[in-house]
Amino acid sequence: DIQMTQSPSSLSASVGDRVTITCRASQSINTYLNWYQQKPGKAPKLLIYAASTLQSGVPSRFSGSGSGSDFTLIISSLQPEDFATYSCHQSHSAPFTFGQGTKLEMK
Amino acid sequence: QLQLQESGPGLVKPSETLSLTCIVSGGTISISNYYWGWIRQPPGKGLEWIGSIYYTGSTYYNPSLKSRVTISIDTSKNQFSLKLTSVTAADTAVYYCVPAYYYHSAAYYYDYWGQGILVTVSS
Repeated sequence: DIQMTQSPSSLSASVGDRVTITCRASQSINTYLNWYQQKPGKAPKLLIYAASTLQSGVPSRFSGSGSGSDFTLIISSLQPEDFATYSCHQSHSAPFTFGQGTKLEMK
Repeated sequence: QLQLQESGPGLVKPSETLSLTCIVSGGTISISNYYWGWIRQPPGKGLEWIGSIYYTGSTYYNPSLKSRVTISIDTSKNQFSLKLTSVTAADTAVYYCVPAYYYHSAAYYYDYWGQGILVTVSS
């Protein structure tokens, strides 16, 4: 199985901050990496697919980069609605796996 | 725009079988580029892929659950189903049905999600 490791597991930040979340795969997954945002009691929402492609309707303050085994999600200027849990997900090979999540909390 | 709705019992006894159905609306389940899958999330934990099915009936499962899982599809009713046998407390989770959209022959994403259904395993 491909293990997906996110860091940090939790993060405190303020509105307006630039936030970086990283995801590392235990083997190369090309760019078959997606990012999701999840709020309490809600289903995940797709933010970015193919490592760097912004899903339609997602604000441009979100961006993704990386290839191979190292990936990054950046929120350029944190907004109040961005406090949530973020998870990476590899679709390279089954069993398809997710990172453990990064909980973004208000400082 | 696809809409998905999970249904099934919210409480299952240990050793019994968990059965869920996902009704798809807003589009046909018999479409190429989509696999129809199940993902679960134990309370306070991360997401786990359970398995997926193509409209032709082709399936693949997470090896960690494969011996207990069956996913089936009914194209005439535009729905697909999950059965998980011999459940334990470790199977307590929110279960989501999700279509996997293949934008590339070897890569996909989950754009539409069901609202999720909490299934508790307890006597």
